[in-house]
Amino acid sequence: EIVLTQSPATLSLSPGERATLSCRASQSVSSNLAWYQHRPGHLPRLLIFDASNRAPGIPARFRGSGSGTDFTLTISSLEPEDFAVYYCQQRATGWNFGQGTKVEVK
Amino acid sequence: EVHLMQTGGGLVQPGGSLRLSCGASGFTFSTYGMAWVRQAPGQGLEWVSAITTSGDYTWYIDSVKGRFTISRDNSKNTLYLQMNSLRVEDTAIYYCAKEGGYARPFDYWGQGTLVTVSS
Repeated sequence: EIVLTQSPATLSLSPGERATLSCRASQSVSSNLAWYQHRPGHLPRLLIFDASNRAPGIPARFRGSGSGTDFTLTISSLEPEDFAVYYCQQRATGWNFGQGTKVEVK
Repeated sequence: EVHLMQTGGGLVQPGGSLRLSCGASGFTFSTYGMAWVRQAPGQGLEWVSAITTSGDYTWYIDSVKGRFTISRDNSKNTLYLQMNSLRVEDTAIYYCAKEGGYARPFDYWGQGTLVTVSS
């Protein structure tokens, strides 16, 4: 089973700041990694697929990078609606998620 | 427009059963894999089960194997999750989710339904 470890657990930032979220896989998932945003009261929303491709309608401030075992989601300048929990998910073998990173207002 | 409408859920005693349904519209249901994902109170997203387009292959997280059964009726555009021998730790919001294609991530989600297992 591939385990995904996200860090940090919580990121406290102000609007306009840059957010850098990490996801590490216990073994290579190649580029089969996705990122989701989950805001309270909303459905999970696909942001990034294949490690670096933005899903339709996702703003350019969201950028995914990495391959193999180390991945990063970068939000270049936080908007108020970006404060949420972010999950990575691997699709190399199975469907499991990381434990999430909460981006909260500082 | 893609729409996933969930029904079912509610309060059940430990050891009881429930069936969740997920009605799909706005896309060719029979050509996409589907899955169930849950979120326990205060916890993150957890994938529960998945099924291929035809229903020939199914997968489960270890903690629900032998208790939950995923199925689909492509003639009715509906996904199901039969949950038996429910445990307190199965308490969660359950979401159905559509894959974006073979081995693709989930691009659409149902509205979620709360399952509470409690005596």
